[in-house]
Amino acid sequence: DAMVIQNPRYQVTQFGKPVTLSCSQTLNHNVMYWYQQKSSQAPKLLFHYYDKDFNNEADTPDNFQSRRPNTSFCFLDIRSPGLGDAAMYLCATSSPLGTSGYTFGSGTRLTVV
Amino acid sequence: QQQVKQSPQSLIVQKGGISIINCAYENTAFDYFPWYQQFPGKGPALLIAIRPDVSEKKEGRFTISFNKSAKQFSLHIMDSQPGDSATYFCAARPTDSWGKLQFGAGTQVVVTP
Repeated sequence: DAMVIQNPRYQVTQFGKPVTLSCSQTLNHNVMYWYQQKSSQAPKLLFHYYDKDFNNEADTPDNFQSRRPNTSFCFLDIRSPGLGDAAMYLCATSSPLGTSGYTFGSGTRLTVV
Repeated sequence: QQQVKQSPQSLIVQKGGISIINCAYENTAFDYFPWYQQFPGKGPALLIAIRPDVSEKKEGRFTISFNKSAKQFSLHIMDSQPGDSATYFCAARPTDSWGKLQFGAGTQVVVTP
């Protein structure tokens, strides 16, 4: 089945230690998104790619970076995680014209110790 | 500034009852309104979606009602089941933003046996 896969499902990292979360998709969607979701809150968009065109949300901290080496893969890099970065990180894709909804991955739960 | 307002924040309904979640959007023109269902520890999954040229859409026990003039749309879950217990997010896509969804704050639904 076509899907969006996020690895790992759970990630524990030390305060200040760089961490990378990964996302892959078999849907061949042009658009990929990274969201941060804290407990009992709506997902918050961090950035998105339209093909290789990177778009950063204005309030996304500089601590967060992303890479998309090809259509299928996208990475979220947190350069110096703080305690406030503990959250669920969701990757999503959408079709080229956004004619359907997003397809979300299952998320990566990040814990910062 | 949140452009999609969702209520209630939480909802408890008995098995077999009707769950109703309401969303309202503000002045931005939107052209697509999906609803997402999220279980704990999982990513959101598309449940049902509607476009503004349709006033109602039904899929199984789930119905979206859309009132374009009032800028409101709602999700009705008929014959609610314990397995429907989840958090539900409404969303809207701006017409000038080909993919970026605006999410509501979410409604936690608990269906009691």
